[in-house]
Amino acid sequence: GAVVSQHPSRVICKSGTSVKIECRSLDFQATTMFWYRQFPKKSLMLMATSNEGSKATYEQGVEKDKFLINHASLTLSTLTVTSAHPEDSSFYICSAKGKRSHNEQFFGPGTRLTVL
Amino acid sequence: GESVGLHLPTLSVQEGDNSIINCAYSNSASDYFIWYKQESGKGPQFIIDIRSNMDKRQGQRVTVLLNKTVKHLSLQIAATQPGDSAVYFCAENEKLVFGTGTRLLVSP
Repeated sequence: GAVVSQHPSRVICKSGTSVKIECRSLDFQATTMFWYRQFPKKSLMLMATSNEGSKATYEQGVEKDKFLINHASLTLSTLTVTSAHPEDSSFYICSAKGKRSHNEQFFGPGTRLTVL
Repeated sequence: GESVGLHLPTLSVQEGDNSIINCAYSNSASDYFIWYKQESGKGPQFIIDIRSNMDKRQGQRVTVLLNKTVKHLSLQIAATQPGDSAVYFCAENEKLVFGTGTRLLVSP
């Protein structure tokens, strides 16, 4: 089956620093990758959609200068949380969709970000 | 706007019982639905999907039913096991809009 990994799985950083989260499709080429945010006991909220080689499309209310997304290759997308603040603490999950997966998205295991 | 919502936040069942988790959606143009399972601290895991040209689809121990007339989706889990304990989300696939989620608690 299709496997998506995320790194790191957990990160703790100081307020004001930037954090980069990687999302990789391990055994397929991901034409589209998605980034979600999830607060405790809440549903996943789509932040942005990125297609390889093009700029990400951000959902309403998501600051693109705050959450930088790069989808430089068919197997890697990165989310950088810039100048992180405690309210950015959350569970960040990526998913990927390949050419052959029709509509199915394969999710990564998530990254727990804690900003002190 | 489109929305997908779940009727019950928590469902408690005994091991061996059948579980039914419900979901309502509002976008009548949706043509693809997916059920995901999410265990604590992990990403969602695909369970089963269904297209709008179908009313029912069966997997291993799971069945998804789609009622387009009332825009309702359900997930049935047969012979529920403790390992089925998790939060279950339905999602509508244009943008994968997730519902709130239902927590399934299975008691031995």
